Amino acid sequence: DGGITQSPKYLFRKEGQNVTLSCEQNLNHDAMYWYRQDPGQGLRLIYYSQIVNDFQKGDIAEGYSVSREKKESFPLTVTSAQKNPTAFYLCASSASRGNEKLFFGSGTQLSVL
Amino acid sequence: QKEVEQNSGPLSVPEGAIASLNCTYSDRGSQSFFWYRQYSGKSPELIMFIYSNGDKEDGRFTAQLNKASQYVSLLIRDSQPSDSATYLCAVSPPGNFGNEKLTFGTGTRLTIIP
Repeated sequence: DGGITQSPKYLFRKEGQNVTLSCEQNLNHDAMYWYRQDPGQGLRLIYYSQIVNDFQKGDIAEGYSVSREKKESFPLTVTSAQKNPTAFYLCASSASRGNEKLFFGSGTQLSVL
Repeated sequence: QKEVEQNSGPLSVPEGAIASLNCTYSDRGSQSFFWYRQYSGKSPELIMFIYSNGDKEDGRFTAQLNKASQYVSLLIRDSQPSDSATYLCAVSPPGNFGNEKLTFGTGTRLTIIP
């Protein structure tokens, strides 16, 4: 089945630690996105990528980094510079930049120990 | 700051009744509007999108857009317990050709009472 796979489902981060969230898609989509969702708030865009080896900052990129070495993969690293990382992280993709239908992964809940 | 406003709810509706969810937006030139459904602890899934003024129907769902009044609504007819979820409104600004400019509302939590 085609879809987006995020792992792990739950992740715990210690103070000063970097952690990486995985996102893989087999939909052959060009565009991929990372969103953060906090309770009572809408989805906020962290980073997005339209093609391999290229990515752009979203609205809340500080404290995060990404890479797009393969079309299928768009991992997100939450660095120690992100002081409030506890949130539900959603990866999404769309067929192309102009195709506005987003397909979402199942999400990763990140918590701080 | 472009804004998308939704009543957070919870909105409780008896089974079989019509559920009405509303969303207002601040950018008058916005041109694309989306409704996503999100079950608790799950990821959002697109259920409706609308670009033009008026109504758009898909099964039990109807999206209504009024650009002059800057609101978009979602009606769910014959509500079922399986419709209980949070509904997210998303708006795309004028001249946007990608998802990176989507602004999401905070969502309305809908509960269908059997």
